[in-house]
Order: sequence, then C-alpha cells, then structure tokens
Amino acid sequence: ETGVTQSPTHLIKTRGQQVTLRCSSQSGHNTVSWYQQALGQGPQFIFQYYREEENGRGNFPPRFSGLQFPNYSSELNVNALELDDSALYLCASSPPASLPYGYTFGSGTRLTVV
Amino acid sequence: DAKTTQPPSMDCAEGRAANLPCNHSTISGNEYVYWYRQIHSQGPQYIIHGLKNNETNEMASLIITEDRKSSTLILPHATLRDTAVYYCIVRVAGTNAGKSTFGDGTTLTVKP
Repeated sequence: ETGVTQSPTHLIKTRGQQVTLRCSSQSGHNTVSWYQQALGQGPQFIFQYYREEENGRGNFPPRFSGLQFPNYSSELNVNALELDDSALYLCASSPPASLPYGYTFGSGTRLTVV
Repeated sequence: DAKTTQPPSMDCAEGRAANLPCNHSTISGNEYVYWYRQIHSQGPQYIIHGLKNNETNEMASLIITEDRKSSTLILPHATLRDTAVYYCIVRVAGTNAGKSTFGDGTTLTVKP
C-alpha cells in the first residue's frame, strides 16, 4: 500500500510568480485535502477535493486554487506569490468518507518565496 | 468544527506513560476526536480517533470524558522517538468533513 506522495519536496520562487504543487493520494483514497503550515504553527486548512470538486475551503484567497484528477491525484496552484506564502504545504488523503477514517499526510513541499 | 485547547509543551521520562490532555468543550454530538503527531516537520501522522468510547490501538489509548468535553491521549511507555508535536482535532465524518482545524498542538519531549 503506497502512501501519499508530494512533489517537489523543496521549491524556491520569486514574489509574484506562480507555483504548482502535486500530490498523489494513497491507493483507495478519493478525498484530498491541502494544508499550509507556517514555521512553528499547526497546519491550516486550505481546501478539500472529493470526486474532482472542491467541497470545503478555509480562509484563503482565490489565488489559491486546486484540481483533482480522475485518478484522485491533486494539484495546488498559487498565483501572485507573496513572501508570506513561504511555508510547508501538506497534502492529506482519506478513503470514501462513510466512516471516520484519519487522514494520511504526505511529507510536504517546502516552498520559499524570495 | 469545534476548536481545541492543548498545553503548549510537556516533558515525559523515557519508559513512563505520557498523558496528553485536550479540551474540546464546544464539541458537537457528531464530531469525532482525532489525534495526530508531527515529527521534525514531516507530515502529521494519524494516531487514533474516537467518538465517545475509550479507544486503544498499537500506538496509544484515547480516553474521552463522559461529557465529551475533554480527552487524554496516553502513550503507555514513551520512547525518545515519541518526541513530537501532538495535535488534537475534532471534526465530523462524511464527505462534507471539510475543514479540520489544527491548533498549535503540544510539544512532547521524552527525556532519557
């Protein structure tokens, strides 16, 4: 059973640029959530995708957007990068949510905006 | 989702039980209590969850008070590898689970 895979592991971008982060969910998991974790803080929920549609969003501006593909993998896109976007971005997947399973998290993508 | 309150830090001697408290006084009847831990800025790792009954698995035990307003995660024999940030969250199950609110967690330091 494979876990959640995120790519790239590290990334440096310049303010104003755009970035795409990728996530492959664990086998059998059809729900994907994205989190932003600033240094020293807990993860903050960005949004969740289920059956290729966004079905929950945290307090993040529209320049944070995402996609989920038929194979349940997902992308997080951030436009017009700001210095405060520097953080660890975490992807988490979970099985069909009829039961209260815990999430499986990836190891994250460390984004640095300079 | 209801918010949780955890102490910012705790110490525990190696081999002893670590008892990590969590307050979730505004929890709703359909919200579960989940515990995760995060080591060295890796992704959080799921530990255990429960609704109202006490739960135990190979990693830990979860004790939920009868009024469900608080819970305790118990690591029965803490090792140095259990040093991590522990997060307690509450959320509903189902496809509309949506937002999970993580606080800043409890940093557990296991000392030799």
